[in-house]
Amino acid sequence: TQLLEQSPQFLSIQEGENLTVYCNSSSVFSSLQWYRQEPGEGPVLLVTVVTGGEVKKLKRLTFQFGDARKDSSLHITAAQPGDTGLYLCAGLASGTYKYIFGTGTRLKVLA
Amino acid sequence: GAVVSQHPSRVICKSGTSVKIECRSLDFQATTMFWYRQFPKKSLMLMATSNEGSKATYEQGVEKDKFLINHASLTLSTLTVTSAHPEDSSFYICSAQGERSPDTQYFGPGTRLTVL
Repeated sequence: TQLLEQSPQFLSIQEGENLTVYCNSSSVFSSLQWYRQEPGEGPVLLVTVVTGGEVKKLKRLTFQFGDARKDSSLHITAAQPGDTGLYLCAGLASGTYKYIFGTGTRLKVLA
Repeated sequence: GAVVSQHPSRVICKSGTSVKIECRSLDFQATTMFWYRQFPKKSLMLMATSNEGSKATYEQGVEKDKFLINHASLTLSTLTVTSAHPEDSSFYICSAQGERSPDTQYFGPGTRLTVL
């Protein structure tokens, strides 16, 4: 069974601080996605990374895919209250069409 | 962008009744739709994968007779929770993939099911 472990599970920080969320697995993924979900809504796709070592930036968010395509990180610079939400990574297992979701990281940014 | 809708957004039903949830791709043809279940403050758990015109593929531990999935057209998939019980209460989310972007799934807004 492929598992994606995210750390930390919960994070409460002050506005303006930086943070990093990790997504780790022992399995290789052909691609990996990051989502943000707000209560009572479906996940919203933030980014897809495909190549090992790839780095993508989306404003204050920086995403990195591990060289071996087994792990990924999400770094947020100068967090804002609007960044509050559940962050989920999801890996596409090689040779399949199914995404495996990570355990989730709940972020709360205090004003 | 691709839009996926779900109906209803919330449903409350009595124990023993069946509930149908619809998932529609509004502006693209979805060759594959996925159904997920999410418990409070937890991640998404894949329940089943449905391809238009064929039987759904269920994940291990998911009862196919309990959760009936029909993917009758390229824009509609339905999930029917049969003989619902309180433990079936959850947030159910669908996602859809199209031929043009087979590695991208577009999520619906979810359906909150409460079984009394």
